[in-house]
Amino acid sequence: RKEVEQDPGPFNVPEGATVAFNCTYSNSASQSFFWYRQDCRKEPKLLMSVYSSGNEDGRFTAQLNRASQYISLLIRDSKLSDSATYLCVANSGGYQKVTFGIGTKLQVIP
Amino acid sequence: NAGVMQNPRHLVRRRGQEARLRCSPMKGHSHVYWYRQLPEEGLKFMVYLQKENIIDESGMPKERFSAEFPKEGPSILRIQQVVRGDSAAYFCASSPLAGPNTGELFFGEGSRLTVL
Repeated sequence: RKEVEQDPGPFNVPEGATVAFNCTYSNSASQSFFWYRQDCRKEPKLLMSVYSSGNEDGRFTAQLNRASQYISLLIRDSKLSDSATYLCVANSGGYQKVTFGIGTKLQVIP
Repeated sequence: NAGVMQNPRHLVRRRGQEARLRCSPMKGHSHVYWYRQLPEEGLKFMVYLQKENIIDESGMPKERFSAEFPKEGPSILRIQQVVRGDSAAYFCASSPLAGPNTGELFFGEGSRLTVL
């Protein structure tokens, strides 16, 4: 079983739609979680951290469910510029072993 | 404040040649990670280094691949006797000393290796 699993998509949604991605992690010792965004043929960039209490940054909301070992990312009012691959990341602590999911591809359609 | 610098951005090698990829972390960062990404695939962890030490190389192929992060100078990922399957984007990332926000990595733009 992969340490971090994501549905690769693609998710094709119209502008203005709300879309949600889930990601599961297998290592119960994972301590911190993040969402990264990667544009086509570009490097990944940190989108947001994921906190236990859930956190919001503008149109983006991240949630963590430790009991079920999954994290989610909700994007409201999708923009064309949101089209990208969203990578789920879990850090199992210790020396900072950072594991990336395969990424979920989002395509926002006009 | 320069970000993570990788070079070369693009590298073409023939089978059997050597490829050397360089990564200069952000100023003040002492942790360096190398990842490999094949087309339409996710980032695969290769190696994690601190200055002069390899901390975790569990993602490195057993043969032909090596990495270093010397006291002075950039981190280097070296691939000997390249094969076509080595063609990929190689991303370097750095992070500062371990802290409460572990997992925040700053990536370079990647080095794209093509093996003919």
